[in-house]
Amino acid sequence: GAGVSQSPSNKVTEKGKDVELRCDPISGHTALYWYRQRLGQGLEFLIYFQGNSAPDKSGLPSDRFSAERTGESVSTLTIQRTQQEDSAVYLCASSRAWWQFFGPGTRLTVL
Amino acid sequence: DQQVKQNSPSLSVQEGRISILNCDYTNSMFDYFLWYKKYPAEGPTFLISISSIKDKNEDGRFTVFLNKSAKHLSLHIVPSQPGDSAVYFCAASEANAGKSTFGDGTTLTVKP
Repeated sequence: GAGVSQSPSNKVTEKGKDVELRCDPISGHTALYWYRQRLGQGLEFLIYFQGNSAPDKSGLPSDRFSAERTGESVSTLTIQRTQQEDSAVYLCASSRAWWQFFGPGTRLTVL
Repeated sequence: DQQVKQNSPSLSVQEGRISILNCDYTNSMFDYFLWYKKYPAEGPTFLISISSIKDKNEDGRFTVFLNKSAKHLSLHIVPSQPGDSAVYFCAASEANAGKSTFGDGTTLTVKP
């Protein structure tokens, strides 16, 4: 069965450029989450979408970060004017219950 | 202020013995607790959960214990197997809040 997919799997960009990360959740999952994991650290919550409700953006670290979700399907996380401290693995998850199904992540490297 | 803490960054256990991973939390509004396992280059996978109305939940070799008064939970793996070697994340959720708060993870190594 199809799980959560993310693209690209790896992204190398130069400081100051914008990047877009994509997440395809499991069909039928109303909730979608974005997390960031820096090297050697835990999962840092970024943003949460639940159905048609306003997203919980409380974890976005700065206004350079934004995310959109179309209905209950694809989501994109956009980072503008990337900085070196944005280098991390960005994980997407979807759920329809208490536990979440994670994608494999996008490893972002900002040079 | 970190609301979910895993104070042991790593744990090494001999195959066949018990692995005990610990997690502490500070938010008394949490009412659902989860453990995830993560292998390198993969996303975390859900392992086991427990509701705040229970103090124990068992699934095969995995048991989670919850001590609400101490705001502490633990994951027991017995017997431990080399394939259990991974990073284990503790997470907690409030009812109707949707999002989970994760700890920093504990790297478990099970030696053959």
